[in-house]
Amino acid sequence: GIQVEQSPPDLILQEGANSTLRCNFSDSVNNLQWFHQNPWGQLINLFYIPSGTKQNGRLSATTVATERYSLLYISSSQTTDSGVYFCAVATTDSWGKLQFGAGTQVVVTP
Amino acid sequence: GAVVSQHPSRVICKSGTSVKIECRSLDFQATTMFWYRQFPKQSLMLMATSNEGSKATYEQGVEKDKFLINHASLTLSTLTVTSAHPEDSSFYICSASEPGQISTDTQYFGPGTRLTVL
Repeated sequence: GIQVEQSPPDLILQEGANSTLRCNFSDSVNNLQWFHQNPWGQLINLFYIPSGTKQNGRLSATTVATERYSLLYISSSQTTDSGVYFCAVATTDSWGKLQFGAGTQVVVTP
Repeated sequence: GAVVSQHPSRVICKSGTSVKIECRSLDFQATTMFWYRQFPKQSLMLMATSNEGSKATYEQGVEKDKFLINHASLTLSTLTVTSAHPEDSSFYICSASEPGQISTDTQYFGPGTRLTVL
């Protein structure tokens, strides 16, 4: 099956800092989503981005499908950005089954 | 965005008992739902695909007789953990997509159910 690697595994930021999270995947995908899991376990949809660039407030994401990677940018980080960020992908023959990366644990300190 | 609910949010049970978890799509119909399990400090692992009106399909290594899935309507899927044991303690999460091409649709996740088996 498809392999999904996220880096870095852990990230500690001071409030106000910017950061980039990376997701590499081993095969062509037709579905790629970024999620934020809050401390209560809820997965929050951030982006549906199998290709291209999107922005939502302080967050933006870029997927370069031909090179099999996606980047999530967090600008002017806030303590509420703390949590685990997951990248998940699906391939054409996986019928919507998402394969999750291991996640990046982000801690934003005041 | 679409909303998916789960009930209960937390359950504690004795070893040997069965526990039912409900997953509902509140403002859309979902012919397909997915069930995931997440152990502490780990990622989500897909357990099974729930299909409305037909049998669920299970991922390799997941016991279908232990994790019973019923997708009786377009808005409800249930996961029953039968004869639960302490090693079944985990965070169970469901997801659903709005109608369309399932492989390319955004999936929305429920808030999860934390199961503790004593």
